[in-house]
Amino acid sequence: AIQVTQSPSSLSASVGDRVTITCRASQGIRNDLGWYQQTPGKAPKLLIYAASTLQSGVPSRFSGSGSGTDFTLTISSLQPEDFATYYCLQDYSYPYTFGQGTKLEIK
Amino acid sequence: QVQLVQSGAEVKKPGASVKVSCKASGYTFAGYYLHWVRQAPGQGLEWMGWINPKSGDTHYVQKFQGWVTMTRDTSISTAYMELNRLTSDDTAVYYCVRRAAGGLYGMDVWGQGTTVTVSS
Repeated sequence: AIQVTQSPSSLSASVGDRVTITCRASQGIRNDLGWYQQTPGKAPKLLIYAASTLQSGVPSRFSGSGSGTDFTLTISSLQPEDFATYYCLQDYSYPYTFGQGTKLEIK
Repeated sequence: QVQLVQSGAEVKKPGASVKVSCKASGYTFAGYYLHWVRQAPGQGLEWMGWINPKSGDTHYVQKFQGWVTMTRDTSISTAYMELNRLTSDDTAVYYCVRRAAGGLYGMDVWGQGTTVTVSS
């Protein structure tokens, strides 16, 4: 199975900050990676698919990049509603695997 | 609107089975695979597998083979996930989520989640 290592596991930041979360796959996965946001008690929400395509309705302050083994999610200017946990998911090969998650907290 | 509505919370004893339903509305049921993802308390997300509502074909993560069964009833646009021989490790929130056939897009619509608690 492809392992996906997500970092950092937690992050403290302030409203207006720019933050970056990374995922590294144990082998090349082309651009078959998505990013999901989860707030407590809620289902995850799709932010980005195919590494860099913004899901409809998602604010443009979210962006994704990468290909092969290294991927990043960037939030250009944090808003209060962005404090949540973020997961990446590789869907290149079975079994699909999630990163361990990054909890983004208010500083 | 497009939505997936799951069945309510369940409490089961070890060794029992649970069957969670996921009713789709607002889109063509056969046009999207339905995946199942679970999340143990305080833990991350774990992908379990999918069902193709059009054909009934399934794919399960190897660890769940022989233990999970995904089915569907196209007449009522509902998918089901049944997990057998429950242990406390199966205590989790179970989500159904759709993904367009062809795999070009992400998992874009999620059910609200069904909490399954396994306790003696």
